[in-house]
Amino acid sequence: AQSVAQPEDQVNVAEGNPLTVKCTYSVSGNPYLFWYVQYPNRGLQFLLKYITGDNLVKGSYGFEAEFNKSQTSFHLKKPSALVSDSALYFCAVRADQTGANNLFFGTGTRLTVIP
Amino acid sequence: DGGITQSPKYLFRKEGQNVTLSCEQNLNHDAMYWYRQDPGQGLRLIYYSQIVNDFQKGDIAEGYSVSREKKESFPLTVTSAQKNPTAFYLCASSMGRTGNEQFFGPGTRLTVL
Repeated sequence: AQSVAQPEDQVNVAEGNPLTVKCTYSVSGNPYLFWYVQYPNRGLQFLLKYITGDNLVKGSYGFEAEFNKSQTSFHLKKPSALVSDSALYFCAVRADQTGANNLFFGTGTRLTVIP
Repeated sequence: DGGITQSPKYLFRKEGQNVTLSCEQNLNHDAMYWYRQDPGQGLRLIYYSQIVNDFQKGDIAEGYSVSREKKESFPLTVTSAQKNPTAFYLCASSMGRTGNEQFFGPGTRLTVL
């Protein structure tokens, strides 16, 4: 079975400070991991993904994520938060062994960047 | 302007009525998906299709139906059998199977009156 956990429903950070949004996963086999962002009443926008290779993945808008196999984590990070980063963030996973490209999503973390 | 379009943006339905949500993509993607989003529950997969004229049930298919007659289109019908249809519905598409990200449409908010 595949699953994703985002342990924090809400993360608050001051503008200019580094931010971290946590994600842990469970899959059989090697994971494919994704981060998406959602603004109010909008669809999800793709930020970055880990398939294989370097554990540190860089994505859109200055975001990056680090794949940690031993801790089964894929935390999203940004060195300096902007007010415009305030949104709902979703982590998703699929196992490389599955035939279809179905993703399993976490329940989301709402990030608020305080001016 | 490539992408995924969903219509309408807002939809109101009376209880007992079927309603169809539109999803069109011009990305030449093989696979398409329908998700339901409820507050605090993330996204849950309703149906997906990897190729024209073929589709599979996701985790919460009861009360929903789909068709995939064209590569570009994957409409979702919410039937009267769906007991709690009020939600935000998201359509997505992706290339192939291996490791490709899904691209999402802007969503349709369905409210049952």
